[in-house]
Amino acid sequence: GENVEQHPSTLSVQEGDSAVIKCTYSDSASNYFPWYKQELGKRPQLIIDIRSNVGEKKDQRIAVTLNKTAKHFSLHITETQPEDSAVYFCAAIRRSGGYQKVTFGIGTKLQVIP
Amino acid sequence: DGGITQSPKYLFRKEGQNVTLSCEQNLNHDAMYWYRQDPGQGLRLIYYSQIVNDFQKGDIAEGYSVSREKKESFPLTVTSAQKNPTAFYLCASRDTGLNSPLHFGNGTRLTVT
Repeated sequence: GENVEQHPSTLSVQEGDSAVIKCTYSDSASNYFPWYKQELGKRPQLIIDIRSNVGEKKDQRIAVTLNKTAKHFSLHITETQPEDSAVYFCAAIRRSGGYQKVTFGIGTKLQVIP
Repeated sequence: DGGITQSPKYLFRKEGQNVTLSCEQNLNHDAMYWYRQDPGQGLRLIYYSQIVNDFQKGDIAEGYSVSREKKESFPLTVTSAQKNPTAFYLCASRDTGLNSPLHFGNGTRLTVT
């Protein structure tokens, strides 16, 4: 089965600095990698995703990179703002067919210090 | 997402009682999932279902049961066999096609005393 490792578990950055969160996965059949942001007491919300045929994707201050060979993907947040403070989860989803168990990383608590 | 409804938002039960958490979706998604969230533990998969009348155990299924009699509904029962049932429970659904993310409900916070 799939195993997703995420680090760091906590991350503090000064407002305006960049933040990077890294994940690795084990199942080579995984081909879709979404990232979620969860604010305290709320549900996780999708912020960006990447497919296995793409190496990088950007959406304003957020970017995700994927290295299929190394089974490694990362979330990059630039020009961080206090409202970026939340818990971020990575996930790996295998291609369609068979049972599609969705496995999450343990989460990274990001604190942006004003 | 407005398409997934979990109820109630807060639930209190006495130890030894079974309790059922509701999850309904109107997104016409085939797959539905239940996750448990504890502080510092991330999202742990309890059960998931990809089609009506079929479901699979996740990583922490012991002490839980589910049913999938209708496409739009995937209730989770927390039985008295679950040793530490107090947690935040999240239901999610997704299209089983390629590259489809999970859509989460607002969660149910269960407290057992």
